[in-house]
Amino acid sequence: QKEVEQDPGPLSVPEGAIVSLNCTYSNSAFQYFMWYRQYSRKGPELLMYTYSSGNKEDGRFTAQVDKSSKYISLFIRDSQPSDSATYLCATPHPPNAGGTSYGKLTFGQGTILTVHP
Amino acid sequence: DGGITQSPKYLFRKEGQNVTLSCEQNLNHDAMYWYRQDPGQGLRLIYYSQIVNDFQKGDIAEGYSVSREKKESFPLTVTSAQKNPTAFYLCASSLDKYNEQFFGPGTRLTVL
Repeated sequence: QKEVEQDPGPLSVPEGAIVSLNCTYSNSAFQYFMWYRQYSRKGPELLMYTYSSGNKEDGRFTAQVDKSSKYISLFIRDSQPSDSATYLCATPHPPNAGGTSYGKLTFGQGTILTVHP
Repeated sequence: DGGITQSPKYLFRKEGQNVTLSCEQNLNHDAMYWYRQDPGQGLRLIYYSQIVNDFQKGDIAEGYSVSREKKESFPLTVTSAQKNPTAFYLCASSLDKYNEQFFGPGTRLTVL
């Protein structure tokens, strides 16, 4: 079982739709969660960074964390064609047995989103 | 402008050749990382470095080598020992190991 699971899609929605992107994780020690957006043939860019359970909003984007269910979500309101990209969830690996953490990010597989006009 | 640069954007290699991918950052970040991205598999960590002259293997280090002689530079060599090198390679950096990572534009390597 992968530590972070993400439905690769592809997901196709009409412009203006509300998009829901989801990931599940298996390690309850994961505490921080990130969403990256990656346009075709480009490097990922950080969209949102959350720590606690609950919602975090930034413009049309809302990140939601449910630690009891080990479930994280990214909602996009009023989706636009420019939102068409691959969306990756990620979490920093918790410290190892030696008490150190080298900052490794564990990524989901990424969900390919297309918003058509 | 501050940022991470990678070169070349596209690279073609014949089987049996070693190639080196460049990664430079002017963000004054201590930590740097190399990832490989294949379709449907997300990003996988190859090597990482928290400080100059120190680096550690990630999850898929076999067939790769790195150096960290300068804070701003973290080149990756793909050796002939790497059996399936065709992939999209991404370099990232962060202020330190506790902070979010910022990515470069990537290098697409194709083995002919």
